[in-house]
This record gives sequence, structure tokens and C-alpha cells, in this order.
Amino acid sequence: EAQVTQNPRYLITVTGKKLTVTCSQNMNHEYMSWYRQDPGLGLRQIYYSMNVEVTDKGDVPEGYKVSRKEKRNFPLILESPSPNQTSLYFCASSLSSFYEQYFGPGTRLTVT
Amino acid sequence: AQSVTQPDIHITVSEGASLELRCNYSYGATPYLFWYVQSPGQGLQLLLKYFSGDTLVQGIKGFEAEFKRSQSSFNLRKPSVHWSDAAEYFCAVGLSAAGNKLTFGGGTRVLVKP
Repeated sequence: EAQVTQNPRYLITVTGKKLTVTCSQNMNHEYMSWYRQDPGLGLRQIYYSMNVEVTDKGDVPEGYKVSRKEKRNFPLILESPSPNQTSLYFCASSLSSFYEQYFGPGTRLTVT
Repeated sequence: AQSVTQPDIHITVSEGASLELRCNYSYGATPYLFWYVQSPGQGLQLLLKYFSGDTLVQGIKGFEAEFKRSQSSFNLRKPSVHWSDAAEYFCAVGLSAAGNKLTFGGGTRVLVKP
């Protein structure tokens, strides 16, 4: 089954404790992206990747890191999480940048 | 900076009535345009997209959208809503010249009354 998986689905952590949210797709897609969703703000793009070893900033990259060492994986790293990063995070993938994006189920992160 | 506006935060519509969701964008060139739907507790699913050509686009679940260049709009419509259409709808816009970023609107939550 074609899908985008994210782990964990739910995470509660404390300020400053490094964390990684994993994202994996099995569709051989070149383009992958991370979004955060906050009420009234829609989805805002954090980082995206056009292919392996090619990443670029979206609209809200501050406080986040990503890497794309393999085509299927695109982890999101929060080196020192803060409460303003409490949000719902979605990973997505597509054949190319403006093709249909397939979204993962989301990761709800709470930083206390 | 590019922006996408969905003026209506909430819309309530009766089952069987028509629905129109508004989307406006601020770009100089014609961008790529998308509508996504998010059902409660779910990820997003693509309803339809416009890249070029016919400005009236048909999508899944009986939805359609019309691109109007003069108004910088890409409004979503459905002639007769079903209870299962209750969800949040997002307009999204991309422009190759602005990198390969995709910008989403704030979303419109649709409630369907029986």
C-alpha cells in the first residue's frame, strides 16, 4: 500500500530536549516536505526536499533541521524544542514539487 | 511575499444546498493552484488542481473550482453537499519562480446541517 508514515504519532516532551520525528514514504517520490498546522494559520511549510541531499527552507524553518540521506526518509529534528513549537506536524511526499502531495497521518507534539 | 487568503473561517450549510469556498492569492504570475480537504483527525487529501488550460477544473467527490486570473481567485464549489462533506478545506498555491514552496491558506471549516 502506497503511504507516508510518521513516528511517533503523539509526543509530549520538555523544553530543550532534542527530538526527531521520522517520515518515510514507499512511493519512490522525489519531493518531500514538512508542515506544521496551527489553528487559524492553516499549514505552513517548514522545509522541503527536491531529492536526496537537496533541502531548502520553507516559510517557518527557524528551530528545525532536516536531512535527506535516502530517498524514502525525511526526518524532522528539533534540536532544542520550545513551547511555541507545540503543533500538529505533517510530512508529505510527491513525484515533484507541484504534483499531488500525499500526507502522513500527522504527529501531535506538545512541548512543556 | 506570496500569500493565500481564505476569507471564511467557518461556513454552515444545509445538506443538499450548494457550497462555495473562496480563495484569493497574491502573486504576480499565474501559480499552481490546489484545493485539499482534511476530515477530522485525518491528513489532507487532494480534491483538485489547476496548472493551465481550462479555467474550470473538476475534482473528486463532485467538487469543481474556477480560476479567475483577473480576480486572483480560485473558488471551490459543490452543487449539493452531503453530510460527509463536513471537513476543513485548504487552498494552496505554488510558484516555481518563488522556489518550490507551497503556501496554504488558513482553511475554511465546513459544517453541514441535516
